[in-house]
Amino acid sequence: EAQVTQNPRYLITVTGKKLTVTCSQNMNHEYMSWYRQDPGLGLRQIYYSMNVEVTDKGDVPEGYKVSRKEKRNFPLILESPSPNQTSLYFCASSLGTGFSGELFFGEGSRLTVL
Amino acid sequence: RKEVEQDPGPFNVPEGATVAFNCTYSNSASQSFFWYRQDCRKEPKLLMSVYSSGNEDGRFTAQLNRASQYISLLIRDSKLSDSATYLCVVKNLGGSGTYKYIFGTGTRLKVLA
Repeated sequence: EAQVTQNPRYLITVTGKKLTVTCSQNMNHEYMSWYRQDPGLGLRQIYYSMNVEVTDKGDVPEGYKVSRKEKRNFPLILESPSPNQTSLYFCASSLGTGFSGELFFGEGSRLTVL
Repeated sequence: RKEVEQDPGPFNVPEGATVAFNCTYSNSASQSFFWYRQDCRKEPKLLMSVYSSGNEDGRFTAQLNRASQYISLLIRDSKLSDSATYLCVVKNLGGSGTYKYIFGTGTRLKVLA
């Protein structure tokens, strides 16, 4: 089954404790991206990757890191989480070619930073 | 001005009603357009892509108006299960072969029995 898989789905952590949210897709997609969703603000892009070893900042990259060593994986790293990073996070991927290319989303990771 | 704007609603409509949402975008060079559906605290799922000639999928019809820079979604014969938030998504091409998906904040629909 074609899918985007995120882990963990739910996480409660404390300020300053490094964490990683994993994202994996099995569709051989070139494009992958991370978003956070907060009430009233919609989906905001954190980082995206056009292909392996190619990553770039989105609209709200502060406090986050990513890597794209393999095509299928795109982990999101919070080196020193803070309470303002409490949010619902989505990973997404797309084929990336041409003008079309819908985004496929993971089920989301709900993060609480105390 | 936001790059993609939607009326947040909520739109409260009775079952069986027809409801329409609009979404405006600011980049005249935007290339691709989509409507996504998002249920509470779940991931967005593609409802339909929006083509230049307009397209229909069952009770759902999407239209693109490039001159006025908006897309629309029409839902006929609303069902209770249509209650959700509908996200407008625009794909813009950037430099060096990059591209970006821009999301509206969503329009909330509640279909009432």
